[in-house]
This record gives sequence, structure tokens and C-alpha cells, in this order.
Amino acid sequence: GENVEQHPSTLSVQEGDSAVIKCTYSDSASNYFPWYKQELGKRPQLIIDIRSNVGEKKDQRIAVTLNKTAKHFSLHITETQPEDSAVYFCAASPPTGYSTLTFGKGTMLLVSP
Amino acid sequence: DVKVTQSSRYLVKRTGEKVFLECVQDMDHENMFWYRQDPGLGLRLIYFSYDVKMKEKGDIPEGYSVSREKKERFSLILESASTNQTSMYLCASREGLWAGELFFGEGSRLTVL
Repeated sequence: GENVEQHPSTLSVQEGDSAVIKCTYSDSASNYFPWYKQELGKRPQLIIDIRSNVGEKKDQRIAVTLNKTAKHFSLHITETQPEDSAVYFCAASPPTGYSTLTFGKGTMLLVSP
Repeated sequence: DVKVTQSSRYLVKRTGEKVFLECVQDMDHENMFWYRQDPGLGLRLIYFSYDVKMKEKGDIPEGYSVSREKKERFSLILESASTNQTSMYLCASREGLWAGELFFGEGSRLTVL
């Protein structure tokens, strides 16, 4: 099955800095890569996703890049704000059969004012 | 707004008790999922269902069973709760089977004494 590794497990930045979270996956057939944000005490929510026919996708201050050859994808957050503090999960999904998302173990992002 | 509602936010049970966790979604989604969330382990899939009365094992199905008698309702059952099943349980639904946004419930925190 798919295996997703996520790094770092914790990340502390100053407000206004950029933050990058990296994930690698094992199944070369995977072609859907979402990112979820979970604020403390709340449910995970989708913030951005990318499919394998696209190398990069942006939405305001967040962007995701995908390198299919190297089997890794990254989340980039620019101009971080305290409200970006949360746990971020990457995930990957191969399109075979009843395939489902395999999540990384999460990155706790702390943005200090 | 998609709503995924989990009936119990907090439960405390004793070892050996039978536990039912209920989840209801209101968006007519075909696909429903039960995840377990533990610190440092991310989100791990227990079971999923792609249709009424249909179910598939996820990555950690041991000690759990599920029921989907109606499209909107997906139940997770612990036949005989054990202390290592103390965890946060998250239900989710999604329109597509292998891609698209997962809508999560608020979670059920289960403590087994």
C-alpha cells in the first residue's frame, strides 16, 4: 500500500516568515495529493489539493508543488500569520480500485507574533 | 454547507464494553470513512464504505466493525473495548471515491478505562 512520510514534525516560525512542509510518497501510481489543516480542537479541513497532471498550484498565500519523478510534494505558506498555527497533514491517493487517502503523520506549525 | 455529525463528542467506557460511534452526513455522499487520530501517528483509516451495506477494511481494522444500513449513516462498533482503543475517532464523507474533499465530523474522543 501507499506510504506517506511527512517532515518536519514541528515547525516554528516568526510571523511574516515562510514555512515549507515536505512529504514523500511510495506508490508511483498516486495522483491526488491534498493538504488538510487542523486547528486545535477542530476538525481537519482541506486547504489545497493537486493532481498529478499539474506541477504547482497556488491559492493566495499557500502553494503546493509536486515532483512526480522524485515522488515528493510540498506545502508552501508565505507571509505566515498567527492564525496559520495548526497541524497540517499531507495525503496521497492512488486511483486504483477502492483507493483511499493515506495521510502523513502531521506537522505542527507554530507562528509566533 | 456539508455537515458531518458525530453523535458523541466524549465517551468514557470500561474494558470489555461494546461501543457504538454514530456518524450522519447530510450531503448524500456515497463514500464514508472512519479514521483514528493519535498524536504522532496522524490519521489512520479503520474502515470505509462506498455504498449502503458495503464496507472495506482500511489500514487498522482489527478490533472494529462497521455498519451502513442507510446512505447517510455510518457506524463504528467496538465489540469489546480495550484500553489501546482510547483515541480520537473521526468520521468523514466524500462525494468521489478516490479524490475530492473529505468532510470530517468534529470527532469522538473515546477513553477506555
